Amino acid sequence: SYVLTQPPSVSVAPGQTARIPCGGNNIGSKSVHWYQQKPGQAPVLVVYDDSDRPSGIPERFSGSNSGNTATLTISRVEAGDEADYYCQVWDTSSDHCVFGTGTKVTVL
Amino acid sequence: QVHLVQSGAEVKKPGASVKVSCKVSGYTLTELSMHWVRQAAGKGLEWMGGFHPEDGETIYAQKFQGRVTMTEDTSTDTAYMELSSLRSEDTAVYYCASPQLRIHVFDIWGQGTMVTVSS
Repeated sequence: SYVLTQPPSVSVAPGQTARIPCGGNNIGSKSVHWYQQKPGQAPVLVVYDDSDRPSGIPERFSGSNSGNTATLTISRVEAGDEADYYCQVWDTSSDHCVFGTGTKVTVL
Repeated sequence: QVHLVQSGAEVKKPGASVKVSCKVSGYTLTELSMHWVRQAAGKGLEWMGGFHPEDGETIYAQKFQGRVTMTEDTSTDTAYMELSSLRSEDTAVYYCASPQLRIHVFDIWGQGTMVTVSS
């Protein structure tokens, strides 16, 4: 089955840029979606189709995808960005949804 | 605006079954493709299965095949997820989620239902 690997944690100072990688075999050929989840809350979609943002998501959130790594970038990080972030793809070979292992972003 | 409202917390004994509901408002259930995702405490998101509009079938993750059943009542716009033969490892928050933007992207989520399996 398809596997998506994320680092367990990323730390960033306020105002700096956080980059969250999501590794998968030839993930560049797939559409990658990203979710933000704060404690006790349901996930929220922040980026879809590699780099598109749903309505209401700040432009500070952006994404890219190439080769074996997709990346969620959070620019000008704020305290409110502290959360867990998950990447997700639809694996067409198995017709299954796959979530990444998740990354906890800590704002220093 | 679409909202998904889930049923309340459940406590079940090992071996029992649990049925979680997810009521749609602002849309009709037939306009959505409901999926279910669970999350154990301190763990990641785990997809359990969902409706696949491309072939009109419900697909279950291999891990849950034979133990999970996802159904819909279009008369009440309510989706259900039933998990049987519960064990302690099934203790988790269960979410319903649906694509609205486009297929396979979960931009709408329920608030979650806590299911505790304990003797």
